[in-house]
Amino acid sequence: KQEVTQIPAALSVPEGENLVLNCSFTDSAIYNLQWFRQDPGKGLTSLLLIQSSQREQTSGRLNASLDKSSGRSTLYIAASQPGDSATYLCAVCPGANSKLTFGKGITLSVRP
Amino acid sequence: DGGITQSPKYLFRKEGQNVTLSCEQNLNHDAMYWYRQDPGQGLRLIYYSQIVNDFQKGDIAEGYSVSREKKESFPLTVTSAQKNPTAFYLCASRQPPNEQYFGPGTRLTVT
Repeated sequence: KQEVTQIPAALSVPEGENLVLNCSFTDSAIYNLQWFRQDPGKGLTSLLLIQSSQREQTSGRLNASLDKSSGRSTLYIAASQPGDSATYLCAVCPGANSKLTFGKGITLSVRP
Repeated sequence: DGGITQSPKYLFRKEGQNVTLSCEQNLNHDAMYWYRQDPGQGLRLIYYSQIVNDFQKGDIAEGYSVSREKKESFPLTVTSAQKNPTAFYLCASRQPPNEQYFGPGTRLTVT
């Protein structure tokens, strides 16, 4: 059974810092991996989708990488801002029509 | 505007009453999902549907029911058999194998 782990559960950094959020999964046979952001009391917003054949995806200040063989993905946030404060979740998809398995998320606080 | 709508945003019910949460999408996605989110527990899958008129139980289906009569709609009924129904409920849709999208959520409080 696929398990997705995100450690630490919470992180606090000063504004302007570059940071990396980690996501690890136990079964490397994945189809794709998706990163989401969730603000308090809101739904999840999709940030990036990485296909199994890709090594990374970029959107603005965000860069997500994927290393299937080691069961890891990282979300890199450049020049963090207070508006980046939210919970970040990763989810893996084992097959094209399969349902996602989610990590519990990392709650990020960026201090002004 | 394409997206997923959930209504209402907040819902209050007395114990013993059934309640139905609405989820509508205009993304033309085949697959739809219902999740429950509790503090410290992460997202847990309740039910999902990969095509109209078909749905499967997720990890915590007991006390819940769904229907999928139309492609764009996937309502969730929380029955009186659900022992701890107070939670944040999220609906999502996806056109496999692409990205999954979420609605804004419904916060249900049962007293």
